Amino acid sequence: GAVVSQHPSWVICKSGTSVKIECRSLDFQATTMFWYRQFPKQSLMLMATSNEGSKATYEQGVEKDKFLINHASLTLSTLTVTSAHPEDSSFYICSASRGRSYNEQFFGPGTRLTVL
Amino acid sequence: AQKITQTQPGMFVQEKEAVTLDCTYDTSDQSYGLFWYKQPSSGEMIFLIYQGSYDEQNATEGRYSLNFQKARKSANLVISASQLGDSAMYFCAMREPLTAQKLVFGQGTRLTINP
Repeated sequence: GAVVSQHPSWVICKSGTSVKIECRSLDFQATTMFWYRQFPKQSLMLMATSNEGSKATYEQGVEKDKFLINHASLTLSTLTVTSAHPEDSSFYICSASRGRSYNEQFFGPGTRLTVL
Repeated sequence: AQKITQTQPGMFVQEKEAVTLDCTYDTSDQSYGLFWYKQPSSGEMIFLIYQGSYDEQNATEGRYSLNFQKARKSANLVISASQLGDSAMYFCAMREPLTAQKLVFGQGTRLTINP
């Protein structure tokens, strides 16, 4: 159990377009979902935390208007990169939590975004 | 200030040898959790082991053990009898306080197991 999926697994888009990435908890209800960004050979950096039905909490330095997060249901969160530019090219990983227990955060397989 | 420090960018180990990956952390909280994750080239994050700040014994999970030295604020990962499939990036992470859900990751160590 506790499987998190992401779609798409990779995407290539033109500069200026918007890209939506989905994160789904397949067999549990996720009270909280997290979005991370990972540049090549670097660590994961938390972008935002989202709770179902409420606005996401963004980390310092992350542009809210550029990275739109919607957590519409207990099994789905979406990250939309608006007006993407080459510097947004990165590996985006979501994770989902169903409670407060220490090991209750499960990671998706990630989405590789390349902006041309 | 860096919350999680992994000082080894890369490690090379012979197959079947044990390997220790270093992790030090910085916190003023008494309640926190420490995690190790493995990230193979496919990109998925695989949870390996967890240590709570109040846990008196070092955590173990199969070939993985966590050498927790609270006074030194270190939480090193020990992999016994390394295998070729252990080659990956390894990240140490902290959750503080323990009731928070946010994870802060270290910079990672790339482990390569040589046959």
